[in-house]
Amino acid sequence: AQSVTQPDIHITVSEGASLELRCNYSYGATPYLFWYVQSPGQGLQLLLKYFSGDTLVQGIKGFEAEFKRSQSSFNLRKPSVHWSDAAEYFCAVAPGRSNFGNEKLTFGTGTRLTIIP
Amino acid sequence: AAGVIQSPRHLIKEKRETATLKCYPIPRHDTVYWYQQGPGQDPQFLISFYEKMQSDKGSIPDRFSAQQFSDYHSELNMSSLELGDSALYFCAIGDSLSSSYEQYFGPGTRLTVT
Repeated sequence: AQSVTQPDIHITVSEGASLELRCNYSYGATPYLFWYVQSPGQGLQLLLKYFSGDTLVQGIKGFEAEFKRSQSSFNLRKPSVHWSDAAEYFCAVAPGRSNFGNEKLTFGTGTRLTIIP
Repeated sequence: AAGVIQSPRHLIKEKRETATLKCYPIPRHDTVYWYQQGPGQDPQFLISFYEKMQSDKGSIPDRFSAQQFSDYHSELNMSSLELGDSALYFCAIGDSLSSSYEQYFGPGTRLTVT
């Protein structure tokens, strides 16, 4: 069974500082990997995704993530955070496409990001 | 996500009542997934459909049922509601023909059971 671990429950970063959110996954093969962001009481917005190819993927809002197979990691980074980045961030994994409708997402427990002035 | 509509956005029910949540997909997207997110929790997969047939099932209580209709909209039916059913319920839409595998999430329905 696939699983996702986000070791940091809560991270506080100063505005303008760099950010790295950690994500480790467990899966027998190379999964599909995602990062979602959720503001309080809101839906989930996809930041970026990795399926194959270049292991450094660029997303929206200046975010990027690097897939490292040897470490089973898919960490999210941003060089300079903005106050509007404060939110909950979820890493998610899905199995490679097999049968349609079977690509359910398994989420990590999330990392809450707080930005201080 | 743009195009995915969920209704209602907020719903308040009492224990033992029933509730129906609806999800209207982006045109030409044929797979739908339902997730439940409890307070302070990560989203948990409930059930999915492809071409109107159930394709996968997760931790969905027997009191819940769902279906996908001919126009690809989906409904999640919840009976004998319990306090623990209070959560944010998302549907997510996928396109089996797309090479860019992705699920587009709706804004969610917040269900409060009192």
